[in-house]
Amino acid sequence: NAGVMQNPRHLVRRRGQEARLRCSPMKGHSHVYWYRQLPEEGLKFMVYLQKENIIDESGMPKERFSAEFPKEGPSILRIQQVVRGDSAAYFCASSPGTSYGYTFGSGTRLTVV
Amino acid sequence: DQQVKQNSPSLSVQEGRISILNCDYTNSMFDYFLWYKKYPAEGPTFLISISSIKDKNEDGRFTVFLNKSAKHLSLHIVPSQPGDSAVYFCAASSQNQAGTALIFGKGTTLSVSS
Repeated sequence: NAGVMQNPRHLVRRRGQEARLRCSPMKGHSHVYWYRQLPEEGLKFMVYLQKENIIDESGMPKERFSAEFPKEGPSILRIQQVVRGDSAAYFCASSPGTSYGYTFGSGTRLTVV
Repeated sequence: DQQVKQNSPSLSVQEGRISILNCDYTNSMFDYFLWYKKYPAEGPTFLISISSIKDKNEDGRFTVFLNKSAKHLSLHIVPSQPGDSAVYFCAASSQNQAGTALIFGKGTTLSVSS
């Protein structure tokens, strides 16, 4: 039973490019969460999704960031026109929806040069 | 404005001794608390949790204590082992159900020496 799979593990983008981060939840988990960890900081909640629905995006920056969790395929966190301040580790977590049994992936480390 | 604070960035303990990691919170609406452990280049791993209706929860070598009046919780690891060396994050939520965002502290780096 594979855990939460995130890819790529490392992503380098130039300023102004787009970054796409993918997350495949654990089998049987229909709830996905994205968190961001800036250097020397704790994890900050960004968005919570269920299949085809955004449930809570209160932590998402209003511009350039979007997330989806389609009926088929992984959840995608998309950052348009990246800036240096977007450099961070982005973690995805999933849960079966019945408890706080969050399982985190290993993260995608985004570096904007 | 940090709602969950881990005021000690680091802690060093000898193998076999007790490790005590502390966490303070400001939001009185928080009613569920969790501890996560994180190794470098890996995602956080759930360790132990406690609901606000309890003041203690124990799981093997790990015990979490909650003092609601002081808005303080602590994680005790006894005995500490070198493999416990990691970053420990305290997290809190205001609803005991999945789907609510967790508020994380900045973490405490624990180093256990043999």
